[in-house]
Amino acid sequence: GESVGLHLPTLSVQEGDNSIINCAYSNSASDYFIWYKQESGKGPQFIIDIRSNMDKRQGQRVTVLLNKTVKHLSLQIAATQPGDSAVYFCPVPRTNAGKSTFGDGTTLTVKP
Amino acid sequence: SAVISQKPSRDICQRGTSLTIQCQVDSQVTMMFWYRQQPGQSLTLIATANQGSEATYESGFVIDKFPISRPNLTFSTLTVSNMSPEDSSIYLCSVVIMTSGRTDTQYFGPGTRLTVL
Repeated sequence: GESVGLHLPTLSVQEGDNSIINCAYSNSASDYFIWYKQESGKGPQFIIDIRSNMDKRQGQRVTVLLNKTVKHLSLQIAATQPGDSAVYFCPVPRTNAGKSTFGDGTTLTVKP
Repeated sequence: SAVISQKPSRDICQRGTSLTIQCQVDSQVTMMFWYRQQPGQSLTLIATANQGSEATYESGFVIDKFPISRPNLTFSTLTVSNMSPEDSSIYLCSVVIMTSGRTDTQYFGPGTRLTVL
């Protein structure tokens, strides 16, 4: 089966610094990846996605990098703000769309 | 994207009672799911809510404990039956939407925070 691993369960950064959250996956057949942000008391919120035919995709202050060779994803947040404090997930989709496998997430804490 | 609402947003219930959680989506969706997120844990898929037929449950979850209804393509309910403190969790409704580029993207509702005393 698939496994999802986030390299660090917690990450603490200073406000204004850049953050990098990493994720590894095991299923080489995965072709679509999404990063979610879950703030306290809320459901997971879609941040950014990337297909396997790309190795980089940029959004507003966020960039996702995909390395298919080593099955590794990273989410980069530029100029991290207190509002970025949340748990970040990179679930790996199973064969049926939507039935994603969620790992434990990385808790990002932004210090003022 | 999709706008997903859930009712109630939170509840505190007594052991042995049941609670029905509602999920409403602002557009017709084929695929709808229910997840559970226990305190400090990740999301666990409970079942797929199928329109017009019985829900498909994941290993460890059964219909008698978590009956699900899906009367149409915009609405579903999840009932947590005969509750115990171990059922205290956030329950999340989720849908999959076909986005541009023929990609299926998964979205989540705000969750229902259940506390069982």
